[in-house]
Amino acid sequence: SQTIHQWPATLVQPVGSPLSLECTVEGTSNPNLYWYRQAAGRGLQLLFYSVGIGQISSEVPQNLSASRPQDRQFILSSKKLLLSDSGFYLCAWSLPRGAPYSNQPQHFGDGTRLSIL
Amino acid sequence: EDKVVQSPLSLVVHEGDTVTLNCSYEVTNFRSLLWYKQEKKAPTFLFMLTSSGIEKKSGRLSSILDKKELFSILNITATQTGDSAVYLCAVEKGGWTSYDKVIFGPGTSLSVIP
Repeated sequence: SQTIHQWPATLVQPVGSPLSLECTVEGTSNPNLYWYRQAAGRGLQLLFYSVGIGQISSEVPQNLSASRPQDRQFILSSKKLLLSDSGFYLCAWSLPRGAPYSNQPQHFGDGTRLSIL
Repeated sequence: EDKVVQSPLSLVVHEGDTVTLNCSYEVTNFRSLLWYKQEKKAPTFLFMLTSSGIEKKSGRLSSILDKKELFSILNITATQTGDSAVYLCAVEKGGWTSYDKVIFGPGTSLSVIP
C-alpha cells in the first residue's frame, strides 16, 4: 500500500532563515505531488504541484519554491522566511490522470506546523 | 472565480446528536466532490461523490450530492467524541490537465461534548 511521509512535524524558524521541508511517497510510481498551506480557520491553498521529476508548477506567487529531485520526493524551500510564511504545510499525492483507477482522491501527509519568529 | 462554501463554520453538539454539514460550490468543469476529516494532522478521505442523488454511506457517516443545486451534505448520526474534527469539503475540477485541481472549502469545526 502507498504511504506518504512528511517531516519535520513542527518547526520554529527566525525571520530571514532558510527553509527545507521534505515529503516522500512510497508504494507508487510517478505520482502527482502537491504542496498546500493551511492558514488557521481557512481551507487548503495549493502552492505547488508536480506531475514528474523536475516538473514544478506554482499556483500562487510567493516567497517559496519547490523541487522534485526524485520521482517520489518533493521538497518545499525558501531562501529567506517571512513572518507571513507561518502556517501548516501539507504534502499530498495522487495517481496521475489517465492511470488505471486514477479517479482516486489526494492523500495527505501529516503536515508540518511552521512558526516564524 | 471557483469557490467552495461550507456552513456552519463551527458547531458544538452533545454525544448522540445527529449533525448535518453543508457544502455549496461554484466551480467550472466539476468532476467530483470530496469530503475529508481532519483531526490534528493529515486530512483523511471520507467520500468522493460524482453523481447526484446517490448516497454514500460509511458507518454513521453518509453524504449526498445535488449537482443541479450545487451542494452536498455530510450527515453524522449518533455522534461520538471521536467525531470531533474539522470536516473539509473540496471540489475536483475536470478538464484537460494532468493533475487534480482541487478547490477546498474553509472547513466546519465540529466539537462533540460528552
